[in-house]
Amino acid sequence: AQSVTQLGSHVSVSEGALVLLRCNYSSSVPPYLFWYVQYPNQGLQLLLKYTSAATLVKGINGFEAEFKKSETSFHLTKPSAHMSDAAEYFCAVSENGNQFYFGTGTSLTVIP
Amino acid sequence: NAGVMQNPRHLVRRRGQEARLRCSPMKGHSHVYWYRQLPEEGLKFMVYLQKENIIDESGMPKERFSAEFPKEGPSILRIQQVVRGDSAAYFCASSPGRSPETQYFGPGTRLLVL
Repeated sequence: AQSVTQLGSHVSVSEGALVLLRCNYSSSVPPYLFWYVQYPNQGLQLLLKYTSAATLVKGINGFEAEFKKSETSFHLTKPSAHMSDAAEYFCAVSENGNQFYFGTGTSLTVIP
Repeated sequence: NAGVMQNPRHLVRRRGQEARLRCSPMKGHSHVYWYRQLPEEGLKFMVYLQKENIIDESGMPKERFSAEFPKEGPSILRIQQVVRGDSAAYFCASSPGRSPETQYFGPGTRLLVL
């Protein structure tokens, strides 16, 4: 069975500080992993995806994530937070491309 | 190239009424997914459709909910006899193919059942 756990429903960082949003998954087969961002009253926007190529994936807006099979993790990072990064972030896993399982989300607050 | 369109953006219904949510995928996309997002929760998969076919509806409640994606026109998510627990944001996503392609999400329809 597939599932995603996002540790920390709320994360606050200072502007310019490192952003680290955690995602752990469970999957019976090598999964495809995604990070999405959602701004208020909008749909989800893809940040990056892992599809069994390089384990370090670079996305838009300076975000990147590293697939660690041994830890079943796919944490999202950004070296320096910007005010515009404040949003809700969702990690998702898919085994077959039919169903995508989303985590419960992490709300990122950036403090000026 | 217009993105995924959903309408209405907001829908208010009284208990027992029907709700119809529409989703127009991106041009060239023949795969549509519907998700429900309850307050403070992540998105829950409901159904995956291709033109004229339901591929996977394992996330859809067995009663009152149905979905279609006709040859012509938008995909429709239909909720009959709505109850307060149906209040949620319903998102549609489209992709060009079946493999775990990028799914492009619409802005969602926020359903409120009074």
